[in-house]
Amino acid sequence: EVQLVESGGGLVQPGGSLRVSCEASGFTFSSYWMTWVRQAPGKGLEWVANIKQDGSEKYYVDSVKGRFTISRDNAKNSLYLQMNSLRAEDTAVYYCARDSVGGSYLPLWGQGTLVTVSS
Amino acid sequence: DIVMTQSPDSLAVSLGERATINCKSSQSVLYSSNNRNYLAWYQQKPGQPPKLLIYWASTRDSGVPDRFSGSGSGTDFTLTISSLQAEDVAVYYCQQYYSTPLTFGGGTKVEIK
Repeated sequence: EVQLVESGGGLVQPGGSLRVSCEASGFTFSSYWMTWVRQAPGKGLEWVANIKQDGSEKYYVDSVKGRFTISRDNAKNSLYLQMNSLRAEDTAVYYCARDSVGGSYLPLWGQGTLVTVSS
Repeated sequence: DIVMTQSPDSLAVSLGERATINCKSSQSVLYSSNNRNYLAWYQQKPGQPPKLLIYWASTRDSGVPDRFSGSGSGTDFTLTISSLQAEDVAVYYCQQYYSTPLTFGGGTKVEIK
């Protein structure tokens, strides 16, 4: 079955760090760009970052630049988002998504993992 | 950054009637070299991740019912549900993938009247 499964969410204090993971199965992970999208409670979707197939290119939304790092391990079919210096406004469900071969629309999404930043 | 503006924020439509959602981008998302609009539409139901409905502005993803259609070019786009069904109650988002940062519209909530 083609799927993405996120893990690693939880409660973290402001200023703290957390790494969320996404394990892919059912497709050739190394052939696709991968993306993180987040959704604050009751709010809309916000693209966070994406990464090229071999990890050589990475892009971020301005609000997380210098704090978040996207990475991948193609041998483990896994995508990661290392989040440092977390703020209350980073509280959200974090979704991992697979890009299409032809463009950065997102045909495959995980169920998401909730990250709560609070003291 | 390309700003995506959706309208209306919400709409209530009777079962079997047409629902129309608009999306406007702050700059063109039409790539002249291939004449493609880098615009997608997603549906999100409560407690679920988004689901891709439309890409390249008008191409339905596999398995999406044909009552969903996308149109438009350049900066102005429309998602139409030709005959609203109960299972179409959801929030709908447009997204541009012309340039990073990729950006989403604010969402349109569709309900039954």
